[in-house]
Amino acid sequence: DQQVKQNSPSLSVQEGRISILNCDYTNSMFDYFLWYKKYPAEGPTFLISISSIKDKNEDGRFTVFLNKSAKHLSLHIVPSQPGDSAVYFCAVRMNSGYSTLTFGKGTMLLVSP
Amino acid sequence: EADIYQTPRYLVIGTGKKITLECSQTMGHDKMYWYQQDPGMELHLIHYSYGVNSTEKGDLSSESTVSRIRTEHFPLTLESARPSHTSQYLCASSRGTGELFFGEGSRLTVL
Repeated sequence: DQQVKQNSPSLSVQEGRISILNCDYTNSMFDYFLWYKKYPAEGPTFLISISSIKDKNEDGRFTVFLNKSAKHLSLHIVPSQPGDSAVYFCAVRMNSGYSTLTFGKGTMLLVSP
Repeated sequence: EADIYQTPRYLVIGTGKKITLECSQTMGHDKMYWYQQDPGMELHLIHYSYGVNSTEKGDLSSESTVSRIRTEHFPLTLESARPSHTSQYLCASSRGTGELFFGEGSRLTVL
């Protein structure tokens, strides 16, 4: 049973507009949430994270929002650029020093000029 | 930029062959991981290590084995490759409870 769900396999956005990628999780014990970006034939690269004590974290064009009561997080990219076209993975970690990351299936973002 | 390296990047091999995927990191991270990923699917953890001589199986059952004799090196071995092993294998490392740094991946095709 999937603990991390990214229900949109793909998203198309025009350059300059906002991209919103969503992620839902099932276990309230998850306390740390990350977004990774992956280009074809490359490994994922870390983008941004948020801990459960916050509800927002911002880094340049990227902002992650966390709604603990809804067990939902989202990644906002604004303004979107063609170079942002990639697969975005949501990952979660449980509140334990020995916990590993659990990933969603990813959302493919296509930003067109 | 993370310093974690995987070789080979691409490997096409026949059924029954033994293969080893190499992974090395120069960051001194104690924790290392192997994930397997197929297109359109999530990354599945198949092995991890929290230090030298420590290895554990991940969430996804795998016929591969790993070893951790040195901090910087975490190779994955398949004794007898089969077409069902065709996939992308991603190695990662981390310090403490922070984010994982991934290598570029090894794409394995078994004919």
